[in-house]
Amino acid sequence: GAVVSQHPSWVICKSGTSVKIECRSLDFQATTMFWYRQFPKQSLMLMATSNEGSKATYEQGVEKDKFLINHASLTLSTLTVTSAHPEDSSFYICSAETGGSYEQYFGPGTRLTVT
Amino acid sequence: QQQVKQSPQSLIVQKGGISIINCAYENTAFDYFPWYQQFPGKGPALLIAIRPDVSEKKEGRFTISFNKSAKQFSLHIMDSQPGDSATYFCAAVYNQGGKLIFGQGTELSVKP
Repeated sequence: GAVVSQHPSWVICKSGTSVKIECRSLDFQATTMFWYRQFPKQSLMLMATSNEGSKATYEQGVEKDKFLINHASLTLSTLTVTSAHPEDSSFYICSAETGGSYEQYFGPGTRLTVT
Repeated sequence: QQQVKQSPQSLIVQKGGISIINCAYENTAFDYFPWYQQFPGKGPALLIAIRPDVSEKKEGRFTISFNKSAKQFSLHIMDSQPGDSATYFCAAVYNQGGKLIFGQGTELSVKP
């Protein structure tokens, strides 16, 4: 149980275009979903926290107009990287928690490369 | 105060040996301490976790030791295997559904 999927697993896009990444909880309802980015050999950096039906809460320094997060249902959250640039190339990982729990379940990650 | 400091940054252990990774925290409001294992190109996976009212938790070859007074906790991997080679992250949370505060990570390499 507690499986989280991400789609796509990798994506290459041209500079200036937008990319949408989906995060789904497959066998549970996720009250809260989290989005992280991870650069090579570094730790996970929390970008934002999203609750179903409400606006995402962004961490300090994360551009909310660039990284659009939508948590439309209890099983789906999306991250859209708008007007992507090479410096946005990274590994994006989502996690979900079931509500009233400490445990977060992570997706497999999405490798974004902006050329 | 929100930081979790992890050491060492990298660790090389012989097969069959014990791998030990240490973490320290400042915020006494943290009340859940998980360890995650991450393989290259994959998302982190929960390995084992502990609450501060317990001094030790063991699951198979993995043990967490927790020292509340010192605000430190550590992961011990007994009988380390080459398949354990991965990056390990400690983390801390201070309320249910709250943010994970990650340590910097330890890249473990187990040599055959």
